[in-house]
Amino acid sequence: DAGVIQSPRHEVTEMGQEVTLRCKPISGHNSLFWYRQTMMRGLELLIYFNNNVPIDDSGMPEDRFSAKMPNASFSTLKIQPSEPRDSAVYFCASSDFRRDSRGHYSNQPQHFGDGTRLSIL
Amino acid sequence: GEDVEQSLFLSVREGDSSVINCTYTDSSSTYLYWYKQEPGAGLQLLTYIFSNMDMKQDQRLTVLLNKKDKHLSLRIADTQTGDSAIYFCAERKAKTGGYNKLIFGAGTRLAVHP
Repeated sequence: DAGVIQSPRHEVTEMGQEVTLRCKPISGHNSLFWYRQTMMRGLELLIYFNNNVPIDDSGMPEDRFSAKMPNASFSTLKIQPSEPRDSAVYFCASSDFRRDSRGHYSNQPQHFGDGTRLSIL
Repeated sequence: GEDVEQSLFLSVREGDSSVINCTYTDSSSTYLYWYKQEPGAGLQLLTYIFSNMDMKQDQRLTVLLNKKDKHLSLRIADTQTGDSAIYFCAERKAKTGGYNKLIFGAGTRLAVHP
C-alpha cells in the first residue's frame, strides 16, 4: 500500500523565493497534518485539516506560511517569501479519524511521509 | 501545559534491554503512542496503548502505562543495532467534538553499541 507521499524530498533555494511543498495522503484518510521538525524546537504541528477543512492553524508561524487542501488527495504548504530560519524538515501525516458505529472515535494513528528537507540560503 | 517529556539520550549494549521513559500531562488522553524515526526518514508508528490498559506487549516491545503518575515506558528486549533511532512518545488529546491532535515529546536518541 502506498503511504503518505511528499515532494520534493529536498529543496534548496535562496531567501525571498516562494517554496511549495506537496503532500498526497493515504487514500481514504480524512485528516491531514503538516509538521515542522528542527533541532531547536523538535516536532511542531503547523496545521491540521479534517475533511479538507482547516481545523487548527494555530501552529502556522506567520502570514508567510499558507496551506491548502483542495481535495481529499492533495495538500500544499507554501512559504512566501522564504527566510533562512524556515530551514527544517517538513512532514505531512494523515489518519482516518471518524466515529465508529457506537459513536466513538477509535484509535486511528497518524502515518507520516518521509518529509521534505528544506534549506533556505 | 501540553509538555510531553522524555530523556534525550540512551545508550545500551547490543542484546540488552532498553527502557525509554516518557511523562505526559493530560490525564484524559485516550491513546498514547511510540514512534520511531530513523535518519532521513519520517516517523514510523511502533506501537500504541489505550488509556484503560496498563500493559501491552508486541513481540520485543513492551509498553507500560501508569495513569496515576502519567508515566509511559517502552521496553525493547534484546536490543539490536537496527533499533538505533530516535523514539518519540506522543499523547492524543481528547477534546469535545473529536480532535485528532498528537502532542509529541522531544524524542529519545537510542544508541546501540556492540
